[in-house]
Amino acid sequence: DAKTTQPTSMDCAEGRAANLPCNHSTISGNEYVYWYRQIHSQGPQYIIHGLKNNETNEMASLIITEDRKSSTLILPHATLRDTAVYYCIVSDTGTASKLTFGTGTRLQVTL
Amino acid sequence: GAGVSQSPRYKVTKRGQDVTLRCDPISSHATLYWYQQALGQGPEFLTYFNYEAQPDKSGLPSDRFSAERPEGSISTLTIQRTEQRDSAMYRCASSLDRGPYEQYFGPGTRLTVT
Repeated sequence: DAKTTQPTSMDCAEGRAANLPCNHSTISGNEYVYWYRQIHSQGPQYIIHGLKNNETNEMASLIITEDRKSSTLILPHATLRDTAVYYCIVSDTGTASKLTFGTGTRLQVTL
Repeated sequence: GAGVSQSPRYKVTKRGQDVTLRCDPISSHATLYWYQQALGQGPEFLTYFNYEAQPDKSGLPSDRFSAERPEGSISTLTIQRTEQRDSAMYRCASSLDRGPYEQYFGPGTRLTVT
């Protein structure tokens, strides 16, 4: 699986959009970009995933650059409950199925 | 329906003892995963099952670790002759099938080896 690079930590004011970047310059054509988050000691929670196109769901938007070498997760209106570690994962889950989590970005949402 | 459940939630064992952890996935899910998570780190893949088959055991750290899913539903992870370095959170996840599907994680089993 391709390696990802994320900032160690970020802050965001409540109510503002949180934009979390991820670099995955060695991504291959059949690898998806996944985002999960982990709140405190809970199990990881799926947020969104995409292959080439931008994706949006009720939680977030995923913007993938045209060359697919980087992506951004957008939480449109961050709340205190969004404080968590956010993991960007690149995986060819069609064959490998496993997720390689890395160290993630610790997002702190503040009042 | 019910989510992924794991038992026990906490397990303390003495070094050298065997332990068995259990995972009960979402009932309609074909694929089941085991991860190990050290304090302050992200989860690390151990192994996965597709129904009863175990296509990938590459993450199991040693031959002391084994996993089963004999009927394609409940799975167990067994650690023989536990060592202090085995202390971690063990997380199970399940997904509808192999491929780009969401993995649903259970609450984990916190294993402490003394």
